[in-house]
Amino acid sequence: DAGITQSPRHKVTETGTPVTLRCHQTENHRYMYWYRQDPGHGLRLIHYSYGVKDTDKGEVSDGYSVSRSKTEDFLLTLESATSSQTSVYFCAISQGQRGGDTQYFGPGTRLTVL
Amino acid sequence: DQQVKQNSPSLSVQEGRISILNCDYTNSMFDYFLWYKKYPAEGPTFLISISSIKDKNEDGRFTVFLNKSAKHLSLHIVPSQPGDSAVYFCAANNAGNNRKLIWGLGTSLAVNP
Repeated sequence: DAGITQSPRHKVTETGTPVTLRCHQTENHRYMYWYRQDPGHGLRLIHYSYGVKDTDKGEVSDGYSVSRSKTEDFLLTLESATSSQTSVYFCAISQGQRGGDTQYFGPGTRLTVL
Repeated sequence: DQQVKQNSPSLSVQEGRISILNCDYTNSMFDYFLWYKKYPAEGPTFLISISSIKDKNEDGRFTVFLNKSAKHLSLHIVPSQPGDSAVYFCAANNAGNNRKLIWGLGTSLAVNP
């Protein structure tokens, strides 16, 4: 298994509060990703990072921000949580190989926004 | 606009038989394809991949076939086991240009003893 941990694993919060999810890797992989998984939508990319301090938006980035100050950590922040952000969040990592790059996933964080 | 489509939301197979999961794509620029398996309350697990320069890749009980002209790939599991019961996701990307994967919505496989 890829050395990826996510914290917290479960969180319940109230609408309007800020929330930060953490992804930590021990593989020294260059690329890190945040996805959300919702019924009927599969996996949707929120943001990704291609190096320290280098990040870019995915397809559902509104309401989310990210930061990567160290290779091993990628933080996802919900500035003001809404009920539509109730979801399961997955972090993934990859080496960034051209010609075929495989992503490896963490165990997920289940977030409930009341 | 779903660029990667898994048209069967679910599939049920008897233990020991073959499971065939299908995936279609629309973007002819895709040249790298992956299959992931996901159990409830766990993250997706990488299963097998295939580059567009090949039409088949095997790993134990799992084989992926790629038909570029039809923009179709399939995952064969032989023989199917109850532990294979999971949701299977197909993903694709343009490997030369970016690292973002485009995902299908998944097929839930049930292997019955």
